[in-house]
Amino acid sequence: DTAVSQTPKYLVTQMGNDKSIKCEQNLGHDTMYWYKQDSKKFLKIMFSYNNKELIINETVPNRFSPKSPDKAHLNLHINSLELGDSAVYFCASSQPFTSMRVNSTQYFGPGTRLTVL
Amino acid sequence: GNSVTQMEGPVTLSEEAFLTINCTYTATGYPSLFWYVQYPGEGLQLLLKATKADDKGSNKGFEATYRKETTSFHLEKGSVQVSDSAVYFCALTAYSGAGSYQLTFGKGTKLSVIP
Repeated sequence: DTAVSQTPKYLVTQMGNDKSIKCEQNLGHDTMYWYKQDSKKFLKIMFSYNNKELIINETVPNRFSPKSPDKAHLNLHINSLELGDSAVYFCASSQPFTSMRVNSTQYFGPGTRLTVL
Repeated sequence: GNSVTQMEGPVTLSEEAFLTINCTYTATGYPSLFWYVQYPGEGLQLLLKATKADDKGSNKGFEATYRKETTSFHLEKGSVQVSDSAVYFCALTAYSGAGSYQLTFGKGTKLSVIP
């Protein structure tokens, strides 16, 4: 049973197009995340959703819009794709970090490699 | 703010060599500390964690001890295998302000083990 799944695994598209990446988790977690990993493997958090409410937006361009239809899904929609958007995008989930739960484990999906031509 | 600094890679070792990847941190309050591993073509997965000073996390032959006095959480393995080739991320969770806690990752260290 896959805990966190993402589709598609690979996405190749032209500049200016609009695309979406889907994410689903079956762990019953309240919090889901999107990360961007560049070619040097540096991991940057983009968004965090806790019970369908956005709680982090780390200065990501507004061309990126997360959509959470329910607690188990967090999709990422990207408008007007640019060359610099090429990267691997990871979805993750966890229980919320709180003072009583600072050691929650994040579970990552397999990643979506986006290539913008 | 909270931050994690880990040694830059890439690190290349021969099979059965001893591994150390250094990690130091700056954090508000009392963080929990983690090592995550990313195998080629996969997402990150938890390798080990520790939640209080002098705790030792261990898994798959890897160990790391929470050292509060030196704010460090170095990853070690006595004898690496080719299958340990991966990118290793040190991370922490700590208070980040406005009543929230956040997971902060280091930049990752790529390990290559050659036969």
